[in-house]
Amino acid sequence: QQKVQQSPESLIVPEGGMASLNCTSSDRNVDYFWWYRQHSGKSPKMLMSIFSNGEKEEGRFTVHLNKASLHTSLHIRDSQPSDSALYLCAASRGGSNAKLTFGKGTKLSVKS
Amino acid sequence: EAAVTQSPRNKVTVTGGNVTLSCRQTNSHNYMYWYRQDTGHGLRLIHYSYGAGNLQIGDVPDGYKATRTTQEDFFLLLELASPSQTSLYFCASSRQGNSGNTLYFGEGSRLIVV
Repeated sequence: QQKVQQSPESLIVPEGGMASLNCTSSDRNVDYFWWYRQHSGKSPKMLMSIFSNGEKEEGRFTVHLNKASLHTSLHIRDSQPSDSALYLCAASRGGSNAKLTFGKGTKLSVKS
Repeated sequence: EAAVTQSPRNKVTVTGGNVTLSCRQTNSHNYMYWYRQDTGHGLRLIHYSYGAGNLQIGDVPDGYKATRTTQEDFFLLLELASPSQTSLYFCASSRQGNSGNTLYFGEGSRLIVV
């Protein structure tokens, strides 16, 4: 059964600092990775996706993917208090009937 | 953004009771999902569907039934609710099941079984 492991479980960074979150899949057939963000009391919303080896940047957010090691990371620079949330990594295999499996999440707190 | 509406938002029931959680999406998405979210476990997939009348088993299906009556409507049924099913339930939808698989979540249904 596919498992998605995230680390750390929780992270505290100062306002303006860099937050780095990690995610690894144990399923060798995984092809696609997503990062979802869930603010307290809200539903998860897709933040970024990455399907190819390398790096993808959107504003203050950068994701990396190494398909050989099935590892992805999310980096948030110039962290803001509004970035405080639960960050969920998700992965799926290819194919039209692929299901998405989530990790347990990393709780990020940005302290001003 | 895709609209996914869940009801009820909050529900308290007794052990052994029947509960139906409803989900409607209005964006013509093919795929719909039911997840539960618990502290220490993250989001776990219960059942999902890729069209009316279709049902696929997720990772934690025991004690749950689901039915997809139309493209828009997906129901989760707990016929003999147990305290272990106390959780926050999310419905989600997506346009397709492959690389375009961005999930759009409803606001959640909190269920307490006493």
